[in-house]
Amino acid sequence: KQEVTQIPAALSVPEGENLVLNCSFTDSAIYNLQWFRQDPGKGLTSLLLIQSSQREQTSGRLNASLDKSSGRSTLYIAASQPGDSATYLCAVDMNRDDKIIFGKGTRLHILP
Amino acid sequence: SQTIHQWPATLVQPVGSPLSLECTVEGTSNPNLYWYRQAAGRGLQLLFYSVGIGQISSEVPQNLSASRPQDRQFILSSKKLLLSDSGFYLCAWSWEGTQYFGPGTRLLVL
Repeated sequence: KQEVTQIPAALSVPEGENLVLNCSFTDSAIYNLQWFRQDPGKGLTSLLLIQSSQREQTSGRLNASLDKSSGRSTLYIAASQPGDSATYLCAVDMNRDDKIIFGKGTRLHILP
Repeated sequence: SQTIHQWPATLVQPVGSPLSLECTVEGTSNPNLYWYRQAAGRGLQLLFYSVGIGQISSEVPQNLSASRPQDRQFILSSKKLLLSDSGFYLCAWSWEGTQYFGPGTRLLVL
């Protein structure tokens, strides 16, 4: 059974710093991996989608990497801003049926 | 562009009462639709998914049911709510591997 783990559960960093969020999964036979952002009391917003054949995806200050063989993904946020404060969730799709399995998220707080 | 709606935004219901949460999608046809529940400390749990009208798959045994009476409408229901049904319910649709989420319904069962 696939399990997705995100470490740390919470993180506080000063504004302007670069940071890395970690995601690990137990079954490497994934179809794709997705990073989401969730603001308090809101739905999820898709940030980046990495197909199993890809190593990384970039969008603005965000870069997500995927090492399928080791069961790991990282989300790199450059030059963090207070507006980046949110919970970041990692999710994997096993079978191309879009029934994705979520981690519990990392709650990020950027200190002004 | 595609949009996804959920209502109500917030709901407070007594134990034993019925439930109906609605989700509709605009701007796409024949989407895959999903219901998730997010409970404190437990992450997002997939409850139901649907690949077409009248086609519902349940992921976990529970007190809830789902229906898809129209192509872009997905309904989550219960005949009698339990305290453990409290949580944040999210509807989503998917396209080419990416999931798009609605704004969610916060349900509190008292």
